[in-house]
Amino acid sequence: GGIITQTPKFLIGQEGQKLTLKCQQNFNHDTMYWYRQDSGKGLRLIYYSITENDLQKGDLSEGYDASREKKSSFSLTVTSAQKNEMAVFLCASRDWGGAYEQYFGPGTRLTVL
Amino acid sequence: AQKVTQTQTSISVMEKTTVTMDCVYETQDSSYFLFWYKQTASGEIVFLIRQDSYKKENATVGHYSLNFQKPKSSIGLIITATQIEDSAVYFCAMRGNNNRIFFGDGTQLVVKP
Repeated sequence: GGIITQTPKFLIGQEGQKLTLKCQQNFNHDTMYWYRQDSGKGLRLIYYSITENDLQKGDLSEGYDASREKKSSFSLTVTSAQKNEMAVFLCASRDWGGAYEQYFGPGTRLTVL
Repeated sequence: AQKVTQTQTSISVMEKTTVTMDCVYETQDSSYFLFWYKQTASGEIVFLIRQDSYKKENATVGHYSLNFQKPKSSIGLIITATQIEDSAVYFCAMRGNNNRIFFGDGTQLVVKP
């Protein structure tokens, strides 16, 4: 078995601040994802990475940067935090190939003051 | 365009009954994979069951089964003998020929004693 760790669990920032969220997985999975989940809503894809040093934009990439420097880690940066993007940010990973399911981390809850 | 739609926002059932949650999808891919995930009140998201588009048999795992109707682009989740702990939000998802996973907006299931 494996685990996905997201740090921090809670992130509080000021409007306009640059904030970084981190995700680590020990499944040895190739593909990693960042999603944003607004309260009571579904998952919206921000960025994903097929392999180390690869980055692919999702539907919600505006205002975010991502970095995949190692196979096991995937970071997301909020370039200028806004109050309307307070949400839970979820990291997920999966093995290469169509049939494999995603494993999700516990999430980082972002609050913008 | 690829899209997943869950029209049922919320369903309430009595314990020990059977419930079906609907999901329809859009894709131009000839081969694709359909998934159902469960998000508990704590926010944890776990994989439940998968259907491969080329398989005619409906997938079954424990008390979860799928009703795959390919001509209708429909993949319903059936939970038999529901338990209180089945109360959660259920997400339908689809993976096509790339590594993107498309999620529906979720269906809230409430199981009453």
